[in-house]
Amino acid sequence: TQLLEQSPQFLSIQEGENLTVYCNSSSVFSSLQWYRQEPGEGPVLLVTVVTGGEVKKLKRLTFQFGDARKDSSLHITAAQPGDTGLYLCAGEGGSGGSNYKLTFGKGTLLTVNP
Amino acid sequence: GAVVSQHPSWVICKSGTSVKIECRSLDFQATTMFWYRQFPKQSLMLMATSNEGSKATYEQGVEKDKFLINHASLTLSTLTVTSAHPEDSSFYICSAIAVPGGTQYFGPGTRLLVL
Repeated sequence: TQLLEQSPQFLSIQEGENLTVYCNSSSVFSSLQWYRQEPGEGPVLLVTVVTGGEVKKLKRLTFQFGDARKDSSLHITAAQPGDTGLYLCAGEGGSGGSNYKLTFGKGTLLTVNP
Repeated sequence: GAVVSQHPSWVICKSGTSVKIECRSLDFQATTMFWYRQFPKQSLMLMATSNEGSKATYEQGVEKDKFLINHASLTLSTLTVTSAHPEDSSFYICSAIAVPGGTQYFGPGTRLLVL
């Protein structure tokens, strides 16, 4: 069974602070995706990382894929209340797993207080 | 961008009844659709994978006779929760991909409450 461990599980910070969310696994994935989900809605794709060591930036969000393609991190700079939500990482095509299926981490619930 | 819709967005039913949830890809043909279940403050758990015109593949521990999946066309998949019980209350989310290995586009989810 492939597992994706996310940490921290909960994070409450003040507006303007920086934060990092981690996603770790013992499995190698062909790609890893980060989603943001708001209450009562489906997850929305933020980014897909494919190459080991890859770094992608999306405005104040920076995503990194580990060299071994087993872990990833999401860094948010100067967090804003609008960043509040559940952040999920998901791996695709892990070792022993089927293609196209996503394995989701448990998520990090982020609250940014004004 | 690709849009996936779900209907209904929420449903309340009595224990023992069956509920059908629809998942549609609005602007693309979906070779494969996925059904997930999400309990409060928890992550998405894959229930089954469905391909148009063939039987769904269920994940371990998911009862295929209880959660009936029909992928009748390239734009529509349905999930029927048969003889629903309160423990089936959850947030059900579908996703669809246009091509094998492509990006999964998620629907907005359906909140099911079984009384």
